[in-house]
Amino acid sequence: DIQMTQSPSSLSASVGDRIIITCRASQTISNYLNWYQQKPGKAPQVLMFGASRLQSGVPSRFIGSGTGTHFTLTISSLQPEDFATYYCQQGYNTPWTFGQGTKVEVK
Amino acid sequence: EVALVESGGGLVQPGGSLRLSCAASGFNVTSKSMDWVRQAPGQGLEWVSIVYSDGRTHYAVSVKGRFTISRDTSKNTLYLQMNSLRADDTAVYYCAREVAATIGSFYYYMDVWGKGTTVTVSS
Repeated sequence: DIQMTQSPSSLSASVGDRIIITCRASQTISNYLNWYQQKPGKAPQVLMFGASRLQSGVPSRFIGSGTGTHFTLTISSLQPEDFATYYCQQGYNTPWTFGQGTKVEVK
Repeated sequence: EVALVESGGGLVQPGGSLRLSCAASGFNVTSKSMDWVRQAPGQGLEWVSIVYSDGRTHYAVSVKGRFTISRDTSKNTLYLQMNSLRADDTAVYYCAREVAATIGSFYYYMDVWGKGTTVTVSS
C-alpha cells in the first residue's frame, strides 16, 4: 500500500496568513493526488484533484502543486472559513490512502 | 441535486453484524464507482471499500473477508454489510461518489459525500 505522510500535524495561523501543508507519498504517484477539507462534525469536501486542479466552486486562494512523491497545499490568504482539517489522498491505485491530516487552528 | 444519505449505524456487540445503507439521489449508483470511508473517533480518514461501475469490488485489508459492499439498482442504494465486528471498527462511516476527471489521464476523486452514520462496537 502507498503510505501518505502529511506535515505538520497541526498549525496555528491568523486570518490573512499564507500557510503551506506538505504531503509525501511512499512511492511515486505522478500527480494523482487529491486534497480534502473537513470541518468538525461534517463530511470531507474535495478541494483539489490531480495535485493542482481546483474542484468547481473552490476559491483560488487554494493552490496545489507537486508531482512524484512531494506535494503541497498552499492557502495564500487564510480566511475564517478555512480553519479546518486538511487531508491528502492518493488516487494512483487502490487501496486509496489518506494522509493523517493537518489541523489548521486559530492563533 | 446530487445527494447521499447514510443510515443503519448503531451500537452492536463485538462479533455482531450491521448493514449500512447509502441512498443516492440525483444520479444512478451503478453509473459511478462508489466508496465507503470511515473515521474513528478523533482520528483521520480510512478508506474501506469500493464498488466500481462495472461491479468489481475491492476492500481494505482490515475489513477484507468481513465486510461486503453491494448496490441495489432498483432502490438506487449502496450497502455495506459488516460481519464479525470488532471494537476497532467503531467509526463514522461515510459513503462517497467517485468521479473521474479526464484531463489527459483519468483523475479519480470523491466528489460527493454523505453526512455519515455512526457505528459503535462495544459490549
